[in-house]
Amino acid sequence: AQRVTQPEKLLSVFKGAPVELKCNYSYSGSPELFWYVQYSRQRLQLLLRHISRESIKGFTADLNKGETSFHLKKPFAQEEDSAMYYCALTGTGGSTLGRLYFGRGTQLTVWP
Amino acid sequence: EAGVAQSPRYKIIEKRQSVAFWCNPISGHATLYWYQQILGQGPKLLIQFQNNGVVDDSQLPKDRFSAERLKGVDSTLKIQPAKLEDSAVYLCASSLGWDRTNSPLHFGNGTRLTVT
Repeated sequence: AQRVTQPEKLLSVFKGAPVELKCNYSYSGSPELFWYVQYSRQRLQLLLRHISRESIKGFTADLNKGETSFHLKKPFAQEEDSAMYYCALTGTGGSTLGRLYFGRGTQLTVWP
Repeated sequence: EAGVAQSPRYKIIEKRQSVAFWCNPISGHATLYWYQQILGQGPKLLIQFQNNGVVDDSQLPKDRFSAERLKGVDSTLKIQPAKLEDSAVYLCASSLGWDRTNSPLHFGNGTRLTVT
């Protein structure tokens, strides 16, 4: 069964500190992994996806198939990074194709 | 571009009443999704449309929930009768097409439903 686990419900860091939001997944095939973000009073939006291998707003995420993880990292957190972050996966075949499975989310707070 | 539009933003009803939510996707987006997000949880897919056809409704409680997208554009999600556990935010999302690699989801602001 497909599952996305975000072990931390809340995460607080000070401005300028490194931040890592953890995400582990279970999926029998080769999934596509995403991070979505929801800033206060805004809609849920895509932050980045592993196939793009890009850095958005200083965030990066590496897919580790051995550890089935897709942790989100940023070396120097900023106050504007405070938001709710959701890890999500979609299957690449069968009944899971095109269907997004979300984790429960991690609320990141960056203190000044 | 205009985003995904949803209405109403908030709705409070009593249990056993009916409620309907409306969604207007981004123009040209063939795929439309309804998600349910219960407090403290991530969004859960209820139903997925490709144009006006249902692709996936395996998680939709069909005894009380229904959804349609008659002309392949707007969509409505209905709950009849509502239960207390239906209290959640209902998110609509759309994407260009079936292949998520090239078409990320765009979400609306959601409708927050409270069932008392």
